[in-house]
Amino acid sequence: KNEVEQSPQNLTAQEGEFITINCSYSVGISALHWLQQHPGGGIVSLFMLSSGKKKHGRLIATINIQEKHSSLHITASHPRDSAVYICADIPQGGSEKLVFGKGTKLTVNP
Amino acid sequence: KAGVTQTPRYLIKTRGQQVTLSCSPISGHRSVSWYQQTPGQGLQFLFEYFSETQRNKGNFPGRFSGRQFSNSRSEMNVSTLELGDSALYLCASSDGQGSSPLHFGNGTRLTVT
Repeated sequence: KNEVEQSPQNLTAQEGEFITINCSYSVGISALHWLQQHPGGGIVSLFMLSSGKKKHGRLIATINIQEKHSSLHITASHPRDSAVYICADIPQGGSEKLVFGKGTKLTVNP
Repeated sequence: KAGVTQTPRYLIKTRGQQVTLSCSPISGHRSVSWYQQTPGQGLQFLFEYFSETQRNKGNFPGRFSGRQFSNSRSEMNVSTLELGDSALYLCASSDGQGSSPLHFGNGTRLTVT
């Protein structure tokens, strides 16, 4: 059974800190998404990656296919980064059939 | 380019009724997928449509159904509503080509009383 585990479940940081959120999955995948959800429900796709590393501004996502593990890093965190971060994998051959982690609630205090 | 539009934003229904939710994808996108989000279960995949055909289906009862029209707009229907169907329903669109980025709508919040 395909399971996606995220840690930590909750994370509180001070503005400026370096943040790491982890995601582990149990089956072979074709890609993994990192999503951001703000209060109110809207979801934004931050990254989709199948290997290596991607960077966008202060956000960096990495994936290790052999270890079935991905991380999302936020450098120089800011209160506006406060949101729920969700990873979701696409099992091999699974088209858009995402399996989601439970999410990490990040709070960045000024 | 307009984003993914879901209507309505909020809906209140009573048990036993049925409901239809609508999703208009980004222009040119042929894949529309639907998700249910609840506090207890988190986000779960419902189904995905590509060029009017259901391409994937999650583990939901037959009360949950959907369709896609020739203009790629999609609807999902839930019949015989139960209290546990109260959730945020999200759709996302993409070009449907392998691992392509997803663009989410703002969701429809359904409350069943």
